[in-house]
Amino acid sequence: KAGVTQTPRYLIKTRGQQVTLSCSPISGHRSVSWYQQTPGQGLQFLFEYFSETQRNKGNFPGRFSGRQFSNSRSEMNVSTLELGDSALYLCASSLDPGTGLIGYTFGSGTRLTVV
Amino acid sequence: AQSVSQHNHHVILSEAASLELGCNYSYGGTVNLFWYVQYPGQHLQLLLKYFSGDPLVKGIKGFEAEFIKSKFSFNLRKPSVQWSDTAEYFCAVNAELSMLTFGGGTRLMVKP
Repeated sequence: KAGVTQTPRYLIKTRGQQVTLSCSPISGHRSVSWYQQTPGQGLQFLFEYFSETQRNKGNFPGRFSGRQFSNSRSEMNVSTLELGDSALYLCASSLDPGTGLIGYTFGSGTRLTVV
Repeated sequence: AQSVSQHNHHVILSEAASLELGCNYSYGGTVNLFWYVQYPGQHLQLLLKYFSGDPLVKGIKGFEAEFIKSKFSFNLRKPSVQWSDTAEYFCAVNAELSMLTFGGGTRLMVKP
């Protein structure tokens, strides 16, 4: 079955712009989590959605937002981009992490560069 | 809140050497534990996971990890590393409906 698909793979934006990233989870998976990966901060949790509801949220400013659709696909949006938002944004899908029965499968990520 | 510490940020080994990467977490309740690997230019891949049962978990590519509850540890081991094991390794914890929390990662370089 297809893995986790993230689009686009690469993105270059200028400061002040906004960006929307997309994630399609593995078929049948209902949970999608988003992470920001940078060399300095490592992997930082952004938010998690399950059945269209945000279940957990990390410590990121309100400029970072997300949503999940009824088909489990998820989008994250970053408004008023800053240079420090340059990072690899990773999406992970899971059947339902609350059951503890299955791990998370990660996508290849979207590399965002803010200039 | 849960947190994860990986003590070794960079490890350099020669081929055939044994590997042990440390991982400690802080959380008082039941946890699920994971090790992920990220090869250069590739996405995160699951090496192994622990949910319950036998605390010695075997994963892919000859890796194993031992969950020691009393020490809040989940160290990753491999008896003999290969050049192809050069990658960044991440320990992660997921506890009671909470999100997956990662450690800072350990960069492993294996010299041929």
